[in-house]
Amino acid sequence: DGGITQSPKYLFRKEGQNVTLSCEQNLNHDAMYWYRQDPGQGLRLIYYSQIVNDFQKGDIAEGYSVSREKKESFPLTVTSAQKNPTAFYLCASSALRDRGPKGTGELFFGEGSRLTVL
Amino acid sequence: GESVGLHLPTLSVQEGDNSIINCAYSNSASDYFIWYKQESGKGPQFIIDIRSNMDKRQGQRVTVLLNKTVKHLSLQIAATQPGDSAVYFCAEKGGTSYGKLTFGQGTILTVHP
Repeated sequence: DGGITQSPKYLFRKEGQNVTLSCEQNLNHDAMYWYRQDPGQGLRLIYYSQIVNDFQKGDIAEGYSVSREKKESFPLTVTSAQKNPTAFYLCASSALRDRGPKGTGELFFGEGSRLTVL
Repeated sequence: GESVGLHLPTLSVQEGDNSIINCAYSNSASDYFIWYKQESGKGPQFIIDIRSNMDKRQGQRVTVLLNKTVKHLSLQIAATQPGDSAVYFCAEKGGTSYGKLTFGQGTILTVHP
């Protein structure tokens, strides 16, 4: 089945460590996104990529890094520079351009990765 | 629009009642809007969408209303069920920002049996 797979689902990190969250999609979508969600709050955009080997900062990019070496993959690294990394991280993808009446740029989300810093 | 750092508003209803969830958006150039439902510990799921050239769209038990004059979006859920309990987000897309959505604050809907 087509979809977005995030791993790991749960991750614990010690302070000062970098961790990488995986996001893979087989929907043939051009664009991929990382959002952060804190308890009881909405989604905030960290980074997004509209094409391979290119990505842009979102609203809260500080302390994070990404790469887009393949269309299917958009890993997120939470670095030690991120002062408050404990959160629920959501990866999403979308078709870059409208394609016919069904092409709307709707985001398809993974199931999320919950990162806890000990 | 997005409100970073604020806690989500809540709506409590009885099973069988109709629910109305509201959202104010900020970008007058936005041409596409989506409602998402997020259950606890899961990723958001698409519910219904609407383009800016429409003011109403109906799905199964759900209706989205768009008022561009006051930049307001609402989601109506008919005959609300306990399984509808979740956080609901509206999202908007600017005219040239293909696929890049800006999310609203979200509303927690709790349905009591």
